[in-house]
Amino acid sequence: EDKVVQSPLSLVVHEGDTVTLNCSYEVTNFRSLLWYKQEKKAPTFLFMLTSSGIEKKSGRLSSILDKKELFSILNITATQTGDSAVYLCAVIDDKIIFGKGTRLHILP
Amino acid sequence: DGGITQSPKYLFRKEGQNVTLSCEQNLNHDAMYWYRQDPGQGLRLIYYSQIVNDFQKGDIAEGYSVSREKKESFPLTVTSAQKNPTAFYLCASSLTGRRTDTQYFGPGTRLTVL
Repeated sequence: EDKVVQSPLSLVVHEGDTVTLNCSYEVTNFRSLLWYKQEKKAPTFLFMLTSSGIEKKSGRLSSILDKKELFSILNITATQTGDSAVYLCAVIDDKIIFGKGTRLHILP
Repeated sequence: DGGITQSPKYLFRKEGQNVTLSCEQNLNHDAMYWYRQDPGQGLRLIYYSQIVNDFQKGDIAEGYSVSREKKESFPLTVTSAQKNPTAFYLCASSLTGRRTDTQYFGPGTRLTVL
């Protein structure tokens, strides 16, 4: 059965800390992996990853994919309270499969 | 402003009633999707439409119906046959129906059945 597993399920850190969120997957015909940030409402798109080993970066956020080991990580450096959100990982094979998300809370 | 809108933001209904959730996009996207999100669970696909006048069942279509008469609009009806309809409903769209396309989400509708 295709699945996407995110860890940890929740995380609480202090402002300024660096966090790493994990997403592992098992799918039949991998095409791409997506990261979204969901605050109170709609998930907003962060990154799409299709190739192994190429880091995508946007400000303090970065992500990389390992297609051999079937996982991706999302790094957030120098965290701020505005980074508090649920981070969703999704994998596209012949359909899109979402993980359950990691709930990140940044303490001031 | 280009984007995806959903209405209403909050919806309450009595058991046994059908209710329709609106989703509109002005991004000129071909494909539109409906997901349901429950606490502690990932997003689950209800229905999707890759092109006007065509739609397909997702993983949890039972108790739901959709229509796609216009490119911009993809309303979802939650029928009385849906056993546990209280949830957060998200609509999304993508430029084409290609499986690698990024999906962009609307703000969601929180449905509560009393």
